[in-house]
Amino acid sequence: ETGVTQTPRHLVMGMTNKKSLKCEQHLGHNAMYWYKQSAKKPLELMFVYNFKEQTENNSVPSRFSPECPNSSHLFLHLHTLQPEDSALYLCASSLPQRGRGGGYTFGSGTRLTVV
Amino acid sequence: GQQLNQSPQSMFIQEGEDVSMNCTSSSIFNTWLWYKQDPGEGPVLLIALYKAGELTSNGRLTAQFGITRKDSFLNISASIPSDVGIYFCAGQLPQGGSEKLVFGKGMKLTVNP
Repeated sequence: ETGVTQTPRHLVMGMTNKKSLKCEQHLGHNAMYWYKQSAKKPLELMFVYNFKEQTENNSVPSRFSPECPNSSHLFLHLHTLQPEDSALYLCASSLPQRGRGGGYTFGSGTRLTVV
Repeated sequence: GQQLNQSPQSMFIQEGEDVSMNCTSSSIFNTWLWYKQDPGEGPVLLIALYKAGELTSNGRLTAQFGITRKDSFLNISASIPSDVGIYFCAGQLPQGGSEKLVFGKGMKLTVNP
């Protein structure tokens, strides 16, 4: 248990479904991130939130919609996904520190399969 | 954008052997980090390096922050089966307090008992 909890751990959804991924941390971190990890590809940064404000959207298709209601919770709303969106979706959090970054704490991920 | 070149991409070794991997970049980083990802899990931080030239150990792991601030290596000594996983390097750019990290593509390690 890393302190960053992601639910569900596994999700199978049809292309017409709407579902949401949830991420929660109580580490006191102020920044939260969504990453996509596909087989044989590097980690792809999707979204960054700092103090609940979105500070980065890495050209992510609009079928992925993030929501950050507070610094402890992050959601990724999914609708009309494509099979190529099947991947491991990782949430991470961090506490920005000038000059001595402590890195990210990752959740265990949600394994998403789009059928 | 910034890129980290991580090598090798994969290694197959026998239990007890040592492993070495590195990351290089054309950019200067303030911090280098090494993560390990077990199958079906998220990456977990192994070692963090904050100063050029710094050499840090964590059990059987040793990592160094290159003098030029553009590279880092990770060594694992006397490997064991539970070392299996994907190892990622990550660098933090000097962006004044930003935590944004750049990740390498990962090195998949297989350890044969």
